[in-house]
Amino acid sequence: QITLRESGPTLVKPTQTLTLTCTFSGFSLSTSGVSVGWIRQPPGKALEWLALIYWDDAKHYSPSLKSRLTITKDTSENQVVLRMADMGPADTATYYCAHPSYSTDHDAFDIWGQGTMVIVSS
Amino acid sequence: DIQMTQSPSSLSASVGDTVTITCRTSQSISRYLNWYQQKPGKAPRLLIHAASRLQTGVPSRFSGSGSGTDFTLTIISLQPEDFATYYCQQSYSAWWTFGPGTKVEIK
Repeated sequence: QITLRESGPTLVKPTQTLTLTCTFSGFSLSTSGVSVGWIRQPPGKALEWLALIYWDDAKHYSPSLKSRLTITKDTSENQVVLRMADMGPADTATYYCAHPSYSTDHDAFDIWGQGTMVIVSS
Repeated sequence: DIQMTQSPSSLSASVGDTVTITCRTSQSISRYLNWYQQKPGKAPRLLIHAASRLQTGVPSRFSGSGSGTDFTLTIISLQPEDFATYYCQQSYSAWWTFGPGTKVEIK
């Protein structure tokens, strides 16, 4: 069974860097084709795709947020970390990590974490 | 960037109705188009991937079609549990994007 769980601070101050961790089980990020992504959703608004990291360490970012995002993986710990710099109130959102499994040819997020709410406020 | 639009942005329907949601992309994405359902306070649920492939466990009243730039999600005989927000998402480009969503409400 594949599971993902997000963890990180609930509250961050403006200008701080947010660090979120996605801890997963049921698959390995060292297997060819495998990836993990991050998606966020501000309250009452649409989903926004943020970043994706692949088994071979290839990384892709949302062009609009690329300068602020860093995604990394720790294969031995089964974790993916997302860092977002210079947080502001508009970054208040629920942040999800998700996995496109082999059953979707790795092209759709069929497994999601429960999400973690992050509030940006001084 | 590949821009995505959905129409309508919201709709009201009754149980038993047939509902069609359209997703359009700013450039051709072949069939790299997925549909998700999201209920309040919950993570999205994948319904359809590769434009028309029904995800395991999803009722057959859901169907998807299209290719290139125009796609549709159809729900036949709407059930009470189908009232939710639906998102399309492209996985054609290296950076994936979601559509703005369509909220399906009870009439």
